[in-house]
Amino acid sequence: GEDVEQSLFLSVREGDSSVINCTYTDSSSTYLYWYKQEPGAGLQLLTYIFSNMDMKQDQRLTVLLNKKDKHLSLRIADTQTGDSAIYFCAEKGKGSSASKIIFGSGTRLSIRP
Amino acid sequence: DAMVIQNPRYQVTQFGKPVTLSCSQTLNHNVMYWYQQKSSQAPKLLFHYYDKDFNNEADTPDNFQSRRPNTSFCFLDIRSPGLGDAAMYLCATSTQSSAGILYGYTFGSGTRLTVV
Repeated sequence: GEDVEQSLFLSVREGDSSVINCTYTDSSSTYLYWYKQEPGAGLQLLTYIFSNMDMKQDQRLTVLLNKKDKHLSLRIADTQTGDSAIYFCAEKGKGSSASKIIFGSGTRLSIRP
Repeated sequence: DAMVIQNPRYQVTQFGKPVTLSCSQTLNHNVMYWYQQKSSQAPKLLFHYYDKDFNNEADTPDNFQSRRPNTSFCFLDIRSPGLGDAAMYLCATSTQSSAGILYGYTFGSGTRLTVV
């Protein structure tokens, strides 16, 4: 079955890099996503990666995919206070779940001065 | 800008009084979803429409219903809200191609429901 797991909390110092990790169980996952949710708001798609890629970079964001270990990470360079949010990892479902994405529990990123 | 719009932003309803939440989209996406999100939890999918086809999640209570009168609009009806239904309700849309590729999974800002 499909399952996505993340650690619940991460605290980093402003200006440092943040690395948020995620593991998934379905080795045939085709698409993996990172969403950001600020307090009281909906989910904002940050980036996604296809399973045939190992890395994707977009400004301060770097996504690394290790298919062998079924591990996905999101690195945020030069973390700012505006990066405080919950970050959800998600994978595209398959079979009867092909029209939806499966979310992890979310990692709450807090920034300390 | 093309987007997913949810109204109202905040909704207060009485215990047991039916309530309807609405979602509209200008993205022309063929799939629309309703999620329930409780505090500090991941969004939980209630159901989704693939075009006009309704797909209910196995664990969605009967108290939750949905309507999609056209491509642009989708409604969430809670027939008899209980205190446990207080949550953020998120609408999302996407386009799924005939090859099964899912594009542009986009969320609205959500409606926060309070039950008193």
